[in-house]
Amino acid sequence: AQKVTQAQTEISVVEKEDVTLDCVYETRDTTYYLFWYKQPPSGELVFLIRRNSFDEQNEISGRYSWNFQKSTSSFNFTITASQVVDSAVYFCALSEKRSGANSKLTFGKGITLSVRP
Amino acid sequence: GAVVSQHPSRVICKSGTSVKIECRSLDFQATTMFWYRQFPKKSLMLMATSNEGSKATYEQGVEKDKFLINHASLTLSTLTVTSAHPEDSSFYICSARDMDHSYNSPLHFGNGTRLTVT
Repeated sequence: AQKVTQAQTEISVVEKEDVTLDCVYETRDTTYYLFWYKQPPSGELVFLIRRNSFDEQNEISGRYSWNFQKSTSSFNFTITASQVVDSAVYFCALSEKRSGANSKLTFGKGITLSVRP
Repeated sequence: GAVVSQHPSRVICKSGTSVKIECRSLDFQATTMFWYRQFPKKSLMLMATSNEGSKATYEQGVEKDKFLINHASLTLSTLTVTSAHPEDSSFYICSARDMDHSYNSPLHFGNGTRLTVT
């Protein structure tokens, strides 16, 4: 069975600090996909990134960067120079290939990030 | 980008009544939609996978007679909470995958429905 662990539950930082959100996953599949979603206070889930298991290149998008380490089954997310608008709950999720079109996402418990001015 | 509309956003109902939640994909067709329930400690639990034109597949422990799911068209899935009880109070979120994209495409989520049963 697949599992996603986000050990951090709440993180509080001061604006402009860098912050890393950890994600560790478990799966028996060799092909899988990892995602990060953001859930602001308004409730909707916003897609941030998708990474497949064969692509271990790190990715940077503006202030956001992701570090995928297959050897440690981790897919960590770093926000550089955090801003108040980054305050939200962040979910890491895992999707296995073998379920095909019905492939469902398994979510971690989420990390509540609070950025103080 | 792809938009999923969920309605209503909030509903308060009395114990024993039924509530229907709609999930629509506005600019794409979705053969598969997923219904999640979000508990107070933030985790999202998959309730069921809804396939257009066929019966939904429920996750273990989810009562299919209590949470009725209908996926009558490629753009609409509904979740009906029957004979609601206070313990059914929760945040329900639907999601959909564009049928033109494969399993690795991201799910698009609705804005969720906050259900409160009094």
